[in-house]
Amino acid sequence: DGGITQSPKYLFRKEGQNVTLSCEQNLNHDAMYWYRQDPGQGLRLIYYSQIVNDFQKGDIAEGYSVSREKKESFPLTVTSAQKNPTAFYLCASSIVRGGRTGELFFGEGSRLTVL
Amino acid sequence: GESVGLHLPTLSVQEGDNSIINCAYSNSASDYFIWYKQESGKGPQFIIDIRSNMDKRQGQRVTVLLNKTVKHLSLQIAATQPGDSAVYFCAEIPNSGGSNYKLTFGKGTLLTVNP
Repeated sequence: DGGITQSPKYLFRKEGQNVTLSCEQNLNHDAMYWYRQDPGQGLRLIYYSQIVNDFQKGDIAEGYSVSREKKESFPLTVTSAQKNPTAFYLCASSIVRGGRTGELFFGEGSRLTVL
Repeated sequence: GESVGLHLPTLSVQEGDNSIINCAYSNSASDYFIWYKQESGKGPQFIIDIRSNMDKRQGQRVTVLLNKTVKHLSLQIAATQPGDSAVYFCAEIPNSGGSNYKLTFGKGTLLTVNP
C-alpha cells in the first residue's frame, strides 16, 4: 500500500534532549512537509521540501532541523532550542505539478511529550 | 468563526441533517482552497478543493462554496452521518499558479453528529 509512515507514534523526551521524528513515503511525491498541531489549533508549517537536497523554512522553523537526502525520507529533528516542543507532529507529501497540488497526503502523526 | 485559545468552533447536528461549516480567509492573493477532515488521532484527509475561478464545486455528499467578495468559504455536508464527526480545516494557497504550493490552514471546526 502506498502512503506516509511516521515513527514513532508516541515519544517522550527529557528537557535538553534532541529527538528525531521519522517520515517515509512511497508515493513518489517530490514535495514533503512537516506541520505542528497544538490542541485546538490549526496546522502550522515547520519546514517543507520540494526536491531532494533542498528545503525551506516554514512559519515556525526555529528550534527544528530537517534533511532531505532521499526522495522518500524527510526526518525532523526537534532540538533543545525549541522552547515548547510538546505537540502533535504531522508529516505530509504531495505532487509538485499537475493535478491537485493542494492535496497533501498525511501520515498518522507523532505525539511528542517533553517531561 | 475564529477560535479563541484552545477552544475550536463547534457544530453539533443530528444524523441525517445537513451541515454547513464556514471559513473566512484574509489573503486576497489566495486562489486555491481546500477542505480537509481530521478524525481523532489521525492525520487530515483531503475532501474537496476549489479554484478561485469557480463559485461552487460538488463532490459526493459535499459541496464547497466560495465567495471571493467577502473572502468566505463554506463546506456543506448532505445527510450528515456519524462517520462525518471530525475536525474540518479549510486551507488556502496564494498565487498557486506559480511555484507556490505552501498551504495555510485555518484553525478548524469540530463537527459532532448525534445519532
